[in-house]
Amino acid sequence: EVQLVESGGGLVQPGGSLRLSCAASGFTFGSYWMTWVRQAPGKGLEWVATIKQDGAEEYYVDSVKGRFTISRDNARDSLSLQMSRLRGEDTAVYYCAKTVVGTTRTFDFWGQGTTVTVSS
Amino acid sequence: DIQMTQSPSFVSASVGDTVTITCRASQHIGHLLAWYQQKPGKAPDLLIHGASTLQSGVPSKFSGSGSGTDFSLTISSLQPEDFATYYCQQVDSFPITFGQGTRLEI
Repeated sequence: EVQLVESGGGLVQPGGSLRLSCAASGFTFGSYWMTWVRQAPGKGLEWVATIKQDGAEEYYVDSVKGRFTISRDNARDSLSLQMSRLRGEDTAVYYCAKTVVGTTRTFDFWGQGTTVTVSS
Repeated sequence: DIQMTQSPSFVSASVGDTVTITCRASQHIGHLLAWYQQKPGKAPDLLIHGASTLQSGVPSKFSGSGSGTDFSLTISSLQPEDFATYYCQQVDSFPITFGQGTRLEI
């Protein structure tokens, strides 16, 4: 059974940093593109970042470029999102998502999400 | 960036009804579109990919159609568990973009 379990969310002050993690199981993690998607309170889904199977390619939404870094450890079946210079508008539930086999941008399994609150 | 526009943003329907949600892309994306269902407090679930291919395990009451810039999701014989928010997503290129969502309510 595919499982994605996010952790690392919490309350952080504006300008601060936070590192999110996603523990994957039930599939061959290193064979899939992986993604972070977020959802601000009461709002829709927003794609944040995507990383290729071997980590050689990374893509980001413009609003987080230069502040967030996606990474993965295929030996540990783990996905991370290092977030720095956090802003109020980064407040959201952050989901990690697995892509459909053979695709880059379609997501067939999602974690339960971890909540990030940026506030003083 | 490819903009995705869903309509309506909100739809009210009854058990047993059939509803159709539309999604328009700001440029041609072929069949590179997915639909998701999200219930309150839960992660989204993939319903359809490739504009019309039903994801494994999703009931056939859900159907997708369209290509190019105009797409639709039809849900037939609505049941209480179908009342949720639905999102389209273009999978053509980065940056990935979602529609703003359509809330389906009883």
